[in-house]
Amino acid sequence: KQEVTQIPAALSVPEGENLVLNCSFTDSAIYNLQWFRQDPGKGLTSLLLIQSSQREQTSGRLNASLDKSSGRSTLYIAASQPGDSATYLCAALNYGGATNKLIFGTGTLLAVQP
Amino acid sequence: NAGVTQTPKFRVLKTGQSMTLLCAQDMNHEYMYWYRQDPGMGLRLIHYSVGEGTTAKGEVPDGYNVSRLKKQNFLLGLESAAPSQTSVYFCASSRRGTSNQPQHFGDGTRLSIL
Repeated sequence: KQEVTQIPAALSVPEGENLVLNCSFTDSAIYNLQWFRQDPGKGLTSLLLIQSSQREQTSGRLNASLDKSSGRSTLYIAASQPGDSATYLCAALNYGGATNKLIFGTGTLLAVQP
Repeated sequence: NAGVTQTPKFRVLKTGQSMTLLCAQDMNHEYMYWYRQDPGMGLRLIHYSVGEGTTAKGEVPDGYNVSRLKKQNFLLGLESAAPSQTSVYFCASSRRGTSNQPQHFGDGTRLSIL
């Protein structure tokens, strides 16, 4: 059974700092690994999706990497801003027949201090 | 674009009452999902659908029923609400396909069972 873990649970950094959020998963038979952002009282917004054949994806100041052999993914945020404050969730999409079954981690709550 | 719309946004029920949560998407997505989010547990899949007229159980289906009579709508029903069903419920949708199709989420329904 796939288990997804995110460490740390919470992180506070000063504005401008580069930071890395970590995600680990136990079953490497994944279709993809997705990173989401969740603002308080809101739904999830997809940030990056890395397919199992890829090593990384980039969008603006965000870069996500995937290492299936070690069961790890990282989300790198460059030059953090207060507007980046949110909960970041990673999720692994496992093989499951014709379905897309995402298994989520519990998230990292990020606070960027101005 | 509306994307994924959930109604209602908030609801308080008494134990034993029934209700239906509505999810509507305007992106012509084939797949739709219902998740619940609880503190420290992450998001967990309740039920999902891979097309109009089809539904299947997810990780935590007990106490819930679903229907997908129209492609754009996915209904989640609680027949006899229990305090353990107090949670935030998220609906999501995605295109058919597995490795490169992100899920799009609604803003959630906050449900309290007294």
